[in-house]
Amino acid sequence: EVQLVESGGGLVQPGGSLRVSCAASGFSASSTYMNWVRQAPGKGLEWVSFIDKGGRTFYADSVKGRFTISRDNSKNTLYLEMNRLRAEDTAVYYCARKPYGDYAIDHWGQGTLVTVSS
Amino acid sequence: DIQMTQSPSTLSASVGNRLTITCRASRSISSWLAWYQQKPGKAPKLLIYKASTLEYGVPSRFSGSGSGTEFTLTISSLQPDDFATYYCQQYNNNPWTFGQGTTVEIK
Repeated sequence: EVQLVESGGGLVQPGGSLRVSCAASGFSASSTYMNWVRQAPGKGLEWVSFIDKGGRTFYADSVKGRFTISRDNSKNTLYLEMNRLRAEDTAVYYCARKPYGDYAIDHWGQGTLVTVSS
Repeated sequence: DIQMTQSPSTLSASVGNRLTITCRASRSISSWLAWYQQKPGKAPKLLIYKASTLEYGVPSRFSGSGSGTEFTLTISSLQPDDFATYYCQQYNNNPWTFGQGTTVEIK
């Protein structure tokens, strides 16, 4: 069974840093696109970043230069390192899998809440 | 970036109604479009991918159509479990953008 379990969310001050993690099981995270998608309170979904099977990374303009996505294949775990955090980064951060081919994002974690506030 | 625009933003409907949600892309995305359902406090759930392919386990009352820039999600007979927010997402070009969402409310 495919499972994605996020952790590491919490309260951080503006300008601070935080790393969230996503432990994958039931499949190899290195064989798919692994994504971060976020949702601010009461708002819609915003795609943040992905890493592909070759290790290439892409970011939304809103986080480019501040966030870094990475993957530890030995732990089958995805990470999102978030620096220079702003109030507008406050959101639930979802880890999500997208298989190669015709498929869209087909599995999501339960999300982890990141709150940026003083 | 490709902009995705859904309409309407909110829709009031009754059980048994047929309803249609539209998603328009700012430029062609071929058929690289997905539809998701999200309920409060829960992660989104994939309903349809590649514009019209039903995800395994999703009821057949859901269907998708379209290509290029205009797409629709249709629920043939609304059920109580279908009251939720629906999002489209294009995955033709980076960044993979979402529509703003359509909330289906009980009339």
